[in-house]
Amino acid sequence: DTAVSQTPKYLVTQMGNDKSIKCEQNLGHDTMYWYKQDSKKFLKIMFSYNNKELIINETVPNRFSPKSPDKAHLNLHINSLELGDSAVYFCASSLAQGGGTEAFFGQGTRLTVV
Amino acid sequence: AQSVTQLGSHVSVSEGALVLLRCNYSSSVPPYLFWYVQYPNQGLQLLLKYTSAATLVKGINGFEAEFKKSETSFHLTKPSAHMSDAAEYFCAVSDPWGKLTFGQGTILTVHP
Repeated sequence: DTAVSQTPKYLVTQMGNDKSIKCEQNLGHDTMYWYKQDSKKFLKIMFSYNNKELIINETVPNRFSPKSPDKAHLNLHINSLELGDSAVYFCASSLAQGGGTEAFFGQGTRLTVV
Repeated sequence: AQSVTQLGSHVSVSEGALVLLRCNYSSSVPPYLFWYVQYPNQGLQLLLKYTSAATLVKGINGFEAEFKKSETSFHLTKPSAHMSDAAEYFCAVSDPWGKLTFGQGTILTVHP
């Protein structure tokens, strides 16, 4: 059983398109996150949800919109894709919101915008 | 504000040699510190974490790290490298709300 699963694993799309990445966790965690890893492998948080409520919203373009239908799912929708959006997007979850709790990461979605 | 600096983007060791990956952090509050490992085309896996208990933290696969407040460091070590340790390693600091700030990563290469 995969703890944090993301779909799709690879996504190639043209500039201007709208796409979604789905994330599900079966760990019973309350908190979920989206991180972006750029071409230099630098990881940066984008969003965090706790019990379906948005907690962290970094300086991310508003073309990115997270949606949490329930606490086991956190999807990421991206409008009007740009070349600079090409990256690996990681979903993660943790038991609770808090500094000492371990984050469990998904396998990542490699998004390529052409 | 918090930040993490990993000294050395690439570290190369021989199999059986000591592994030392350096991490220095900056945090305005008592830090929670983590080391994660990323194998090619995979997600991040937690190696170990420091949460203000013992300053010497033992993790999986024989890794350990020591929290030194005076040096603001959290270096990762392993006494004897294995070929399977070749991967990219990320040090991270967490704020009280669970937001992780990562270092830039260190690629570990292990030579036979």
